[in-house]
Amino acid sequence: SQTIHQWPATLVQPVGSPLSLECTVEGTSNPNLYWYRQAAGRGLQLLFYSVGIGQISSEVPQNLSASRPQDRQFILSSKKLLLSDSGFYLCAWSGQGYSPLHFGNGTRLTVT
Amino acid sequence: AQSVAQPEDQVNVAEGNPLTVKCTYSVSGNPYLFWYVQYPNRGLQFLLKYITGDNLVKGSYGFEAEFNKSQTSFHLKKPSALVSDSALYFCAVREGGATNKLIFGTGTLLAVQP
Repeated sequence: SQTIHQWPATLVQPVGSPLSLECTVEGTSNPNLYWYRQAAGRGLQLLFYSVGIGQISSEVPQNLSASRPQDRQFILSSKKLLLSDSGFYLCAWSGQGYSPLHFGNGTRLTVT
Repeated sequence: AQSVAQPEDQVNVAEGNPLTVKCTYSVSGNPYLFWYVQYPNRGLQFLLKYITGDNLVKGSYGFEAEFNKSQTSFHLKKPSALVSDSALYFCAVREGGATNKLIFGTGTLLAVQP
């Protein structure tokens, strides 16, 4: 069966520091991969998605970037964090066709 | 553009009573709709989806959803609520194209009282 791993679970970082969040998927090949951010415990905003290695699409202009160095690895990064980057970051994968998204357990990022 | 709306921020129901969480959609073309549940500090869990076919879709944990094209609705239902069903519920619509990107509603907090 397929599983998705996201780490770390929580992270507290000072303003101006770099960020790297990692997500890996097991048990499937060539998944679509997604990064969402959930602010204030509610609204989900799609940040990035990827349909293949090295193929990244950004949904909103921001202080963050994403990379997909391997088929089942998706990384969210920032060179310098802002206070507004605080939130709950969720990685997800899907198969092809009309398959649903499957989410990891998320990373709670607090920028101080 | 595709969108979904969840008109209720919170729904309160007594344990054992039926529950309904409402969702309406606006799409161009065929709607592909999903329901997810989120427990505190956890990721979203997939409950069910409507792609085509039968208007009553059955999903996980005893949940079902009714697709109504004339009312552009996709309400989540359960015949008998459990306290453990208390969580945040999201309706979502597939954006279109080949990527399976989902656009989510604002979520409805379901509180089931014992």
